[in-house]
Amino acid sequence: DSGVTQTPKHLITATGQRVTLRCSPRSGDLSVYWYQQSLDQGLQFLIQYYNGEERAKGNILERFSAQQFPDLHSELNLSSLELGDSALYFCASSVSPGTHYEQYFGPGTRLTVT
Amino acid sequence: AQSVTQLDSQVPVFEEAPVELRCNYSSSVSVYLFWYVQYPNQGLQLLLKYLSGSTLVKGINGFEAEFNKSQTSFHLRKPSVHISDTAEYFCAVSDVNGKLTFGQGTILTVHP
Repeated sequence: DSGVTQTPKHLITATGQRVTLRCSPRSGDLSVYWYQQSLDQGLQFLIQYYNGEERAKGNILERFSAQQFPDLHSELNLSSLELGDSALYFCASSVSPGTHYEQYFGPGTRLTVT
Repeated sequence: AQSVTQLDSQVPVFEEAPVELRCNYSSSVSVYLFWYVQYPNQGLQLLLKYLSGSTLVKGINGFEAEFNKSQTSFHLRKPSVHISDTAEYFCAVSDVNGKLTFGQGTILTVHP
């Protein structure tokens, strides 16, 4: 158990819908990362937050958005869903941004768009 | 831009045999390299990392990796594998902010 929690574990929804994925980082971790794992694209970095502020952006679609709240949990919002958005979405957390701080990964949320 | 290429998508081996999972990287700046393992239906777990210093890095579960700057490689090795090592392994390179760029993964299957 990494200490990072993600809810829900599974999500099945239809095309065009909107969903919210939630991540609670390890106690004391200020930085949160979101990654997408799909058969087509592999593991891709989406976005990073540090203490409530966006720190870095990767291959995140405009239909996707995220935020980190004052209690440090983070939410990833996916809208106008398409079949290709079906994937495993991971959240990771670390004490601080930077390579010297280990990222701890949550178990992921499996999103299926039908 | 940084990138990682894992040269084998699947590696089958027998129990107690040695294994090497190959990873080549491309980076125009300082190199920070990682190996992660993903067991079925689980998140990723850090096996080992190279940030600087000794080019031979030892990690958890008996794994080690060697950073080779001239060959731009970071191959993962284990002298004797167990059934429980069956998993998918990811090589990754990080930028200074900690953003990880992953390879496509190598599925290691250990047969009895």
